[in-house]
Amino acid sequence: QVQLQQSGPGLVKPSQTLSLTCDISGDSVSSDSVVWTWIRQSPSRGLEWLAKTYFRSRWYNDSADSLKSRIIINVDTSRNQFSLQLTSVTPEDTAVYYCARGAPTRGKYYLDSWGQGTLVSVSS
Amino acid sequence: DIQVTQSPSSLSASVGDRVTITCRASQSISTYLNWYRQKPGKGPEVLIYSASNLQSGVPSRFSGRRSGTEFTLTISGLQPEDFATYYCQQSYTSPWTFGQGTRVEI
Repeated sequence: QVQLQQSGPGLVKPSQTLSLTCDISGDSVSSDSVVWTWIRQSPSRGLEWLAKTYFRSRWYNDSADSLKSRIIINVDTSRNQFSLQLTSVTPEDTAVYYCARGAPTRGKYYLDSWGQGTLVSVSS
Repeated sequence: DIQVTQSPSSLSASVGDRVTITCRASQSISTYLNWYRQKPGKGPEVLIYSASNLQSGVPSRFSGRRSGTEFTLTISGLQPEDFATYYCQQSYTSPWTFGQGTRVEI
C-alpha cells in the first residue's frame, strides 16, 4: 500500500519560497510506470494541477504553464521523496497543497494515492 | 487547455437515492476521465478511472459512463458517507484539469 507523507511549513511570507516535501513508502520515486505530482486546492481556483515528475530512463518534469517560471521540482532517490518549491509567493498562492501518485492506465494516469494535504498560508 | 465542465454544482439527496453527476470536456479526451470523492477535511480519493473502471476497494454502487465528450458518475443507493464533494479530472493531456466540483448534500 502506497503512502505519501507531506512535510513543510504552513506559513510563508510574501515574496519568499514555499517548500514542501513528499515522502513515499510502498513504492519507489524511481518507478518507471508511475508519475509523482503536486496539486493544490483553494476556494477561488478549486483543484489545480501544478506539476509532475517521473523517471523513464531519465528524469522528466512538467508543470503548469502559468507557474512554470516559479516551480522547481526535485527528487531525492536516496530518501525516496520528491519536493516542490514555489518561488516569489503571493497571497494568491494560499491553498491546501497535495502530493499524489499517478497510476498508469493505458498510457495515461489517474491519481490513486494522495498525501494528507498541507495548508500553506502566504502572509506577512 | 482542456476545460472540464461539471454539473450540477450542488444537489440535495437522501440516503438510498440514485444520483448522477455530469462532466463535459471541451474536446475529445477519449476515455481519460477520472472521478474522485472528497470528504470534508480530507484529500480526494479515486472512485472511477478511465471513465468506467471501478477502483479496487470502491463499492459497486459507483459507476461511470462515457458518451463522446460527456461523462457521468452515478451513485446507486446513496450512503451517509457519500455526502461529500465529487470531482472529475481529465488526464488526456497536460495540464491535467479538474471539474469545479459537485457538492452532494442531505
